[in-house]
Amino acid sequence: GAGVSQSPSNKVTEKGKDVELRCDPISGHTALYWYRQSLGQGLEFLIYFQGNSAPDKSGLPSDRFSAERTGGSVSTLTIQRTQQEDSAVYLCASSYDTGPATEAFFGQGTRLTVV
Amino acid sequence: TQLLEQSPQFLSIQEGENLTVYCNSSSVFSSLQWYRQEPGEGPVLLVTVVTGGEVKKLKRLTFQFGDARKDSSLHITAAQPGDTGLYLCAPLYSSASKIIFGSGTRLSIRP
Repeated sequence: GAGVSQSPSNKVTEKGKDVELRCDPISGHTALYWYRQSLGQGLEFLIYFQGNSAPDKSGLPSDRFSAERTGGSVSTLTIQRTQQEDSAVYLCASSYDTGPATEAFFGQGTRLTVV
Repeated sequence: TQLLEQSPQFLSIQEGENLTVYCNSSSVFSSLQWYRQEPGEGPVLLVTVVTGGEVKKLKRLTFQFGDARKDSSLHITAAQPGDTGLYLCAPLYSSASKIIFGSGTRLSIRP
């Protein structure tokens, strides 16, 4: 596709269940980011993949959160044993490279609601 | 650890007025980007500034990069309802760093 695609667009889950959120980046983009945005807030960095380097997981809020990127393309963010405070919009972005003029292209996000 | 602050957090003004929002860091940037996020959408890049003291204009928006490369401002002239959104700054502290966003300024323009 032409842009970053995220699925599902909305997800309602029961507290304690596991969820998987998917991100399809723009073809050829080497960098991929996940961010979390709570209602009315800014973007909280979660994790960053760049090429074949080890991912930067420094933003993951707990060990219930994990992410992988298969084949340098599609990424999945997994949240285990979801809690109500995990409710937020999860945004994925990709960029061609890193550097001073890098532009991050965002998907429309997955709105996660934990009930 | 770099501290990044955007101000004001919220701004509500009348259509036609001018406004300025700010992005300040405790550390020197390599470059800085401004993004705008509209409701229900992901952020979209407005501009990248690279050189200290640099000024860039995008129609009614003027972006300035501080001489010391630790701050930036966004000035909007004659604000329009279409300018409503969340304005985010994203400094890069080195050429290979990840993109971290400030907390943003939420702008509302009243018709």
